[in-house]
Amino acid sequence: NAGVTQTPKFQVLKTGQSMTLQCAQDMNHEYMSWYRQDPGMGLRLIHYSVGAGITDQGEVPNGYNVSRSTTEDFPLRLLSAAPSQTSVYFCASSRTGGGYGYTFGSGTRLTVV
Amino acid sequence: DAKTTQPNSMESNEEEPVHLPCNHSTISGTDYIHWYRQLPSQGPEYVIHGLTSNVNNRMASLAIAEDRKSSTLILHRATLRDAAVYYCIPPNAGGTSYGKLTFGQGTILTVHP
Repeated sequence: NAGVTQTPKFQVLKTGQSMTLQCAQDMNHEYMSWYRQDPGMGLRLIHYSVGAGITDQGEVPNGYNVSRSTTEDFPLRLLSAAPSQTSVYFCASSRTGGGYGYTFGSGTRLTVV
Repeated sequence: DAKTTQPNSMESNEEEPVHLPCNHSTISGTDYIHWYRQLPSQGPEYVIHGLTSNVNNRMASLAIAEDRKSSTLILHRATLRDAAVYYCIPPNAGGTSYGKLTFGQGTILTVHP
């Protein structure tokens, strides 16, 4: 049971490049979500999903796309990277309903130059 | 959505109890209050959650006010490993029960040997 796995752990992009941050969980969790954390700040919700085929926007969705074709995977796509997207990205998953804790991945540290 | 008010920082000595307060200005009657902590350079870690009554687990206790407008995370005997940022997640409508966590700034807990 690996929990929530995020890849890559580190990435440097040039402005305008695109890439996909991967998130996979092996706990059969329905809920999955992406957050970004800027230096010295709390986490902000980017996109979330309550099940395969269902996604919705969070607080800061601009510049990011998601899809959820399987229960296990929830990739986050940066369409055209900008320096403002330099951040640490965390993926989380949980069972349905609020009565369960969310499990977070170890994060992807992204730098856009 | 409910906003949380937490002290920016708190300090404790090792082996002493720590009470971390959180105020939620408005609440959803059916959503859970969650607490997470984040150790340096790591992803957030689930600590505890509750709905209306006090809760205990191996990590901590959670005391919830009768009107649910505040909660207190209790670490019974702080250790150096408990030094982290502690986040209270308010019971927003459509929040923890719907795949979304709303993070505030959290409380930085320093534990002195």
